[in-house]
Amino acid sequence: KNQVEQSPQSLIILEGKNCTLQCNYTVSPFSNLRWYKQDTGRGPVSLTIMTFSENTKSNGRYTATLDADTKQSSLHITASQLSDSASYICVVTLNGNQFYFGTGTSLTVIP
Amino acid sequence: DGGITQSPKYLFRKEGQNVTLSCEQNLNHDAMYWYRQDPGQGLRLIYYSQIVNDFQKGDIAEGYSVSREKKESFPLTVTSAQKNPTAFYLCASQSRGGAPADTQYFGPGTRLTVL
Repeated sequence: KNQVEQSPQSLIILEGKNCTLQCNYTVSPFSNLRWYKQDTGRGPVSLTIMTFSENTKSNGRYTATLDADTKQSSLHITASQLSDSASYICVVTLNGNQFYFGTGTSLTVIP
Repeated sequence: DGGITQSPKYLFRKEGQNVTLSCEQNLNHDAMYWYRQDPGQGLRLIYYSQIVNDFQKGDIAEGYSVSREKKESFPLTVTSAQKNPTAFYLCASQSRGGAPADTQYFGPGTRLTVL
């Protein structure tokens, strides 16, 4: 069964600290993996996308890694800011038009 | 929100009423999608359309209907047959052949509450 699981479900960190979010998937065959940021009450916004052959992708303070062998991805946030408070969703694409969504990690950054 | 608009942002409906959610995109995307988001759950696909005048059911299509008469528009109707319609509804569109491939852009969402 194709699934995407994220951990932790929620996370609270102090402003300025780093954190890492995890995504494990069983989707196969794999097309690409994307991390989205979703602010409360808004639509998700793409942060990074990685294909099978890529193992890291950065977008400012966000760095995503991918291990296609173990089917794991992580999203590392450096020097967190209050505006990073959001839900982070991992999405795995199958065959280009089938999307499998994780349930997300809710991140709260406190001053 | 990448050129996709959804309206209204908040919608209240009485039980037994049909309601239509609007989704418009100016990205010239061929594919459009409707998702439902409930607390603690991942996005679930309701309907999708890869071309004008054609659409396919997703995982939870019961109680919903769509149309795709124009490339730019993909309205979703929540019918009275939908037993638990209160949720956050997200529309998305997807580029084909653009860079990067398989990009999905989301609208800002519509929060539907059934009273």
